Amino acid sequence: AQSVAQPEDQVNVAEGNPLTVKCTYSVSGNPYLFWYVQYPNRGLQFLLKYITGDNLVKGSYGFEAEFNKSQTSFHLKKPSALVSDSALYFCAVRDKDGTGGFKTIFGAGTRLFVKA
Amino acid sequence: DTEVTQTPKHLVMGMTNKKSLKCEQHMGHRAMYWYKQKAKKPPELMFVYSYEKLSINESVPSRFSPECPNSSLLNLHLHALQPEDSALYLCASSQVSEGQRNTIYFGEGSWLTVV
Repeated sequence: AQSVAQPEDQVNVAEGNPLTVKCTYSVSGNPYLFWYVQYPNRGLQFLLKYITGDNLVKGSYGFEAEFNKSQTSFHLKKPSALVSDSALYFCAVRDKDGTGGFKTIFGAGTRLFVKA
Repeated sequence: DTEVTQTPKHLVMGMTNKKSLKCEQHMGHRAMYWYKQKAKKPPELMFVYSYEKLSINESVPSRFSPECPNSSLLNLHLHALQPEDSALYLCASSQVSEGQRNTIYFGEGSWLTVV
């Protein structure tokens, strides 16, 4: 079965500094990896996904993620953090559901705090 | 802004009540999902509908009853819930055609409190 791990419960960064939120994956076959963000009291918003092709994937709100096959990682990055980036971030992978379809499996989540 | 609309945003219900959560999407997606999310935890899959047919039930108690009246609507009927069922209930939808490549899109959720 596919899985993702987010090793950090919380990441703290100062506004204007680069940020990284880590994700490692374990898949059989091709990885289909996603990042979602959840602002307080809101649903999950899709940020970006890796399907194939370039290892650097660009997404919404200035975020990007780097796919690294040798390290089985898919870290989320942003060159300059904003206070408004403070939220809960989920890495996710698509897995077969045993009925011919697919389901999305989420990591435990990483809380990002950006300090002004 | 999300194109998956959920109502109501907040619901407080007693343990003997019957209520329903509603979800609507107009993106032409043929897969729809219910997730349950506790505070600061990842969403947990409850049900998946594909082409209006239930394809996954993740061993959810029968006090939760999903319904997919058509390709745009998804309901979750609630009856005889327990206080531990209090959570954020998220609806989501996706295409079916690209399989694992499909992105699922979430609504803003319905906050359920069982008293």
